[in-house]
Amino acid sequence: EPEVTQTPSHQVTQMGQEVILRCVPISNHLYFYWYRQILGQKVEFLVSFYNNEISEKSEIFDDQFSVERPDGSNFTLKIRSTKLEDSAMYFCASSYPGQGVEKLFFGSGTQLSVL
Amino acid sequence: AQSVTQLDSHVSVSEGTPVLLRCNYSSSYSPSLFWYVQHPNKGLQLLLKYTSAATLVKGINGFEAEFKKSETSFHLTKPSAHMSDAAEYFCVVSLYGSGNTGKLIFGQGTTLQVKP
Repeated sequence: EPEVTQTPSHQVTQMGQEVILRCVPISNHLYFYWYRQILGQKVEFLVSFYNNEISEKSEIFDDQFSVERPDGSNFTLKIRSTKLEDSAMYFCASSYPGQGVEKLFFGSGTQLSVL
Repeated sequence: AQSVTQLDSHVSVSEGTPVLLRCNYSSSYSPSLFWYVQHPNKGLQLLLKYTSAATLVKGINGFEAEFKKSETSFHLTKPSAHMSDAAEYFCVVSLYGSGNTGKLIFGQGTTLQVKP
């Protein structure tokens, strides 16, 4: 079965540094999402992306965050200046046209640790 | 506003016995509801979904869930647990009934432990 791939599986960074989390969605999917889960808390929606623009974003997704699909295969989440509270598991997801949020395929996540 | 509450953070069963993972939802309209499972070091995998068709929904690996509007519940069940069912389970509601820009609202998760 096709998979959403996320790299790296674990990233450690210093507070204030920029990080880029990478995702390769399933090849024929057109809708892309980022979610995150802070340790001990619920999985939270960050942003959805379609047709090279953000469809919707949560209040968490402030100016420090950005998303991009730089080359037609990768989907990235950039955090410009990381804070301690950005430490979380970040999940990428994608979906097929017409199925949308009802059939998301999730990656295995990137654990981000901000020191 | 939509929300889900998973009533148990941890459930432990013996192999071969039934599984019940409880979920209650809150929604101002007829929701779409899902159960996702996450095995260690794996992505979130869709187990089953309810989208206003049959109230009893069958999913993968022998799991099923029943949508009960009167009780605002969507409990996940399996008649006989297998060791491979040990994982984290998430009850999820869609903010919109359907649609590509909708977002998922997750419950806090239930860890299922299966004892030999």
